[in-house]
Amino acid sequence: KAGVTQTPRYLIKTRGQQVTLSCSPISGHRSVSWYQQTPGQGLQFLFEYFSETQRNKGNFPGRFSGRQFSNSRSEMNVSTLELGDSALYLCASSLRGGTGRLNEQFFGPGTRLTVL
Amino acid sequence: AQKITQTQPGMFVQEKEAVTLDCTYDTSDQSYGLFWYKQPSSGEMIFLIYQGSYDEQNATEGRYSLNFQKARKSANLVISASQLGDSAMYFCAMREGTTSGTYKYIFGTGTRLKVLA
Repeated sequence: KAGVTQTPRYLIKTRGQQVTLSCSPISGHRSVSWYQQTPGQGLQFLFEYFSETQRNKGNFPGRFSGRQFSNSRSEMNVSTLELGDSALYLCASSLRGGTGRLNEQFFGPGTRLTVL
Repeated sequence: AQKITQTQPGMFVQEKEAVTLDCTYDTSDQSYGLFWYKQPSSGEMIFLIYQGSYDEQNATEGRYSLNFQKARKSANLVISASQLGDSAMYFCAMREGTTSGTYKYIFGTGTRLKVLA
């Protein structure tokens, strides 16, 4: 079974631009979560999608948005990029996103975004 | 207040020895899950081990075991017979419910482990 895939792996943008990152979950997984990882703030939860609906959101500004398609693939968009948005963006999928063991999250390799 | 606390920013261990990575957590939920992930320099988060709050026995997965002490709210990871390939960043995480009835993960700040030959 293929793992979680994320595209692109690396991205360089300039301030003020917008960017879209893509995540394809493991086949059969319906929950997709996004995280931002920076050296200063660590891993921070952005949002979670389940069956095309956002059902949980972290404390990020409205410039960060996402969506999920009917095939469970998810995209994350960041508008009006700032220097501080430079980070590794990780996507994780799980069956349903509950607390049981079978709903553990599997992470993709991440997209490393650099904002100049 | 930190929900997940990893007090060891960095650790060294000699190859073939055992090492314990500390993790304490804070939650008022009765049902929660605790996880450990390994993140090599490549960046990908690799799931290592899971402990449910209702599990009575400590979880084990090969060379990894979780020393779960519920009353003390600690979930330490023990790696036995360390290997050079174990050198990585290790994150402790907790999955708990939210007020909206959904779930979210909270990660600790990580411990960087270096295995010495």
